[in-house]
Amino acid sequence: ETGVTQSPTHLIKTRGQQVTLRCSSQSGHNTVSWYQQALGQGPQFIFQYYREEENGRGNFPPRFSGLQFPNYSSELNVNALELDDSALYLCASSAGFGYTFGSGTRLTVV
Amino acid sequence: AQSVTQPDIHITVSEGASLELRCNYSYGATPYLFWYVQSPGQGLQLLLKYFSGDTLVQGIKGFEAEFKRSQSSFNLRKPSVHWSDAAEYFCAVGDLYGGGSNYKLTFGKGTLLTVNP
Repeated sequence: ETGVTQSPTHLIKTRGQQVTLRCSSQSGHNTVSWYQQALGQGPQFIFQYYREEENGRGNFPPRFSGLQFPNYSSELNVNALELDDSALYLCASSAGFGYTFGSGTRLTVV
Repeated sequence: AQSVTQPDIHITVSEGASLELRCNYSYGATPYLFWYVQSPGQGLQLLLKYFSGDTLVQGIKGFEAEFKRSQSSFNLRKPSVHWSDAAEYFCAVGDLYGGGSNYKLTFGKGTLLTVNP
């Protein structure tokens, strides 16, 4: 049973729109990371938050942004959606050296 | 830059047969190494991890992996595969940054395992 919950599980957006994906981590997990997994690929690191501050970022443009809240929840926001943003977005949280992944949000951009 | 190579895109084995999934990494320091499993439409489940110490690591579901620094490898093994092991398997290296214990995961492209009855 995973301690990381993501919502929604699926959604469809139109190119140019904005989207917010949500993640609820386990209590005490003050580190949260977001990954993008395109079809047939391994996950790619988007960014990481520690105690509500971004402390690491992968090779993603600024239109990918995030927030982390004191209640161990977090958000991934993507502006100006492009077709290539269609992917499974995974949230992972940690209280130390191991990450627990959620089941992901499948985003389709049409 | 760190990278992970999983040379086998797809492997098919018979139920009860042994399994070895290959993983090679490129990393400048002592790596943190991981194996994850992903069932269709699901997130990633951690099978095992290596941070330091004994190079043979035991994980869940009867899996083990061996860290070989000289070969830059971290291959995953299971002596007898069950039909429920059919899934996609990802090897990953943890890349430390910013000091402390912060790290990001760099994944390979995955190996799809099919199990024949």
